[in-house]
Amino acid sequence: DIQMTQSPSSLSASVGDRVTITCQASQDVNIFLNWYQQKPGKGPKVVIYDTSNLETGVPPRFSGSGSGTDFTLTITSLQPEDIATYYCQQYVNLPITFGQGTRLEIK
Amino acid sequence: EVLVEESGGDVVRPGGSLRLSCTGTGFTFDDYAMHWVRQAPGKSLEWLSFINWDGSSTFYVDSVKGRFTVSRDNRKSFVYLQMNDLRREDTAFYFCAKDSMSKGDSSGYPPTPIEWGQGTLVIVSS
Repeated sequence: DIQMTQSPSSLSASVGDRVTITCQASQDVNIFLNWYQQKPGKGPKVVIYDTSNLETGVPPRFSGSGSGTDFTLTITSLQPEDIATYYCQQYVNLPITFGQGTRLEIK
Repeated sequence: EVLVEESGGDVVRPGGSLRLSCTGTGFTFDDYAMHWVRQAPGKSLEWLSFINWDGSSTFYVDSVKGRFTVSRDNRKSFVYLQMNDLRREDTAFYFCAKDSMSKGDSSGYPPTPIEWGQGTLVIVSS
């Protein structure tokens, strides 16, 4: 199975800050990497699909990049509504696997 | 608007069985594969199972293989997860999710969950 390693596991930042979360796959996943946002009591919501595509309705302050084994989710100007846990997920192979999550908090 | 909704979560004793249900609206249900994913309280997400649009192809993660069975009834727009021989470590929120690609999509992209329900809680406890 492909292991997904996210960092950091938690992050505290101020409103307006640029925030970066990284994800490393244990083997090449091509571009088949999604980023999800999950708020308490809710199901995950995709924010970036296929590494760098912004899901419809997601603010353009979110962006994704990378390829192969190393990927990044960036929020250019953190807003209070962005507080959530973020997960990366590979789907090049079954089983689909997820990172351990990054809990994002407001400082 | 696409909506996915799970139901059937309950408290069950170790060794017991439970069937979860999932329905979808806002899309042509029998055009899409579906996934089950779970999340133990405070933990990350674990993908469990995939069923293609007509139920002819299924896949499972090793931790549930032989205990869990996914099926679907397209006439009723439901997907099911039959869970047998439940263990304490199966305690989790269980999510159903619609796949990203319809059966007519020729992109060749692998399956991935893209739109998720809110989850249903299964507690395995004596």
